[in-house]
Amino acid sequence: GDSVTQMEGPVTLSEEAFLTINCTYTATGYPSLFWYVQYPGEGLQLLLKATKADDKGSNKGFEATYRKETTSFHLEKGSVQVSDSAVYFCALIQSGAGYSTLTFGKGTMLLVSP
Amino acid sequence: DAGVTQSPTHLIKTRGQQVTLRCSPISGHKSVSWYQQVLGQGPQFIFQYYEKEERGRGNFPDRFSARQFPNYSSELNVNALLLGDSALYLCASRPDRGDRQPQHFGDGTRLSIL
Repeated sequence: GDSVTQMEGPVTLSEEAFLTINCTYTATGYPSLFWYVQYPGEGLQLLLKATKADDKGSNKGFEATYRKETTSFHLEKGSVQVSDSAVYFCALIQSGAGYSTLTFGKGTMLLVSP
Repeated sequence: DAGVTQSPTHLIKTRGQQVTLRCSPISGHKSVSWYQQVLGQGPQFIFQYYEKEERGRGNFPDRFSARQFPNYSSELNVNALLLGDSALYLCASRPDRGDRQPQHFGDGTRLSIL
């Protein structure tokens, strides 16, 4: 079945450092890809999305490009802030018989220190 | 506009009991999905409802059931609770079943089984 693999965390960075969180997927067809962020004690917030190959999703300084040839959707940010500390989930939309649902990776915790 | 709202926020139950969790989708959203997030893992799909009918079900036992009401709100019921049911239960909504539409999540109900 479809699956998402993320790099294990925690990722620990100093403020203003460059961030990369790797995500690769296995899927039949052409899934849409998403990054969600979860702050402590909260639900998931959509960070960015890409619906077809070579699309670049971006939001709040974060970017990810849908790479079909490498089945990847790596999350990047040029300069992280302490407020970016959270758990980041890569996900894809998986279609079944008449419905679709998200398949998530295990999440990567990001810790940014001042 | 109000986002997805879930109640209660926290719940403590004992093994063998039954629990009902509630979700109100974003106004205008007809599709509701439920996910279970065990500590340290990504969310796992439980159910999707659209127009008051079950449209998809994940790999969960029959102890889990749900329904959707005419106002598109939804309830998730879990019977004969086990220790392993301790998790954050997330509800997500979107306008319809479209594959490319992102799901919007509530803050979840944290269920603890003693």
